[in-house]
Amino acid sequence: GAGVSQSPRYKVAKRGQDVALRCDPISGHVSLFWYQQALGQGPEFLTYFQNEAQLDKSGLPSDRFFAERPEGSVSTLKIQRTQQEDSAVYLCASSLGGGNQPQHFGDGTRLSIL
Amino acid sequence: DQQVKQNSPSLSVQEGRISILNCDYTNSMFDYFLWYKKYPAEGPTFLISISSIKDKNEDGRFTVFLNKSAKHLSLHIVPSQPGDSAVYFCAAIRNSNYQLIWGAGTKLIIKP
Repeated sequence: GAGVSQSPRYKVAKRGQDVALRCDPISGHVSLFWYQQALGQGPEFLTYFQNEAQLDKSGLPSDRFFAERPEGSVSTLKIQRTQQEDSAVYLCASSLGGGNQPQHFGDGTRLSIL
Repeated sequence: DQQVKQNSPSLSVQEGRISILNCDYTNSMFDYFLWYKKYPAEGPTFLISISSIKDKNEDGRFTVFLNKSAKHLSLHIVPSQPGDSAVYFCAAIRNSNYQLIWGAGTKLIIKP
């Protein structure tokens, strides 16, 4: 399809394990965003890439969270030594540019930490 | 401290009638507002947006109204259809920055 693709859709991990979440943005979209959404809440900003450059990582909750987009297309969000509070839906979005351009979202990865 | 607030967790409307979803914000630096719609197990889908220099934007059945003095915006859906049943999120951008600040969402239920 032509939309934002995220994998896996669901991920269950034991506390302390590392996880990697993948995002395939819409082709040609320069900007890529990661959000974390807790149950019953709106998404919260984690980090922003413009092409391969990570311009803003102010929303990453701790240094266990790491994101990369090495070739300016696919992005990976990695969480090391997972904890129960990391359980959430992780959403990826992309847009043509920054600023007010509408962001287009993938269906998210639901992460459950046992 | 929530900068974008959607005070109604849910709203039930008869099919064919008008649905009005409300959103309040506290930060006067917000200059762009967006509404997203979300079905279960899917990502949010962009619906409509409005710049702070306008007070109304219309797109088909969807109209967004902005009252800057009250720091309030609303989304009107006319007429409401069963497929409109979803969670609606209000989001805001500050200083044309890319970072979306979201409300908690309102679940809209359209009754047949």
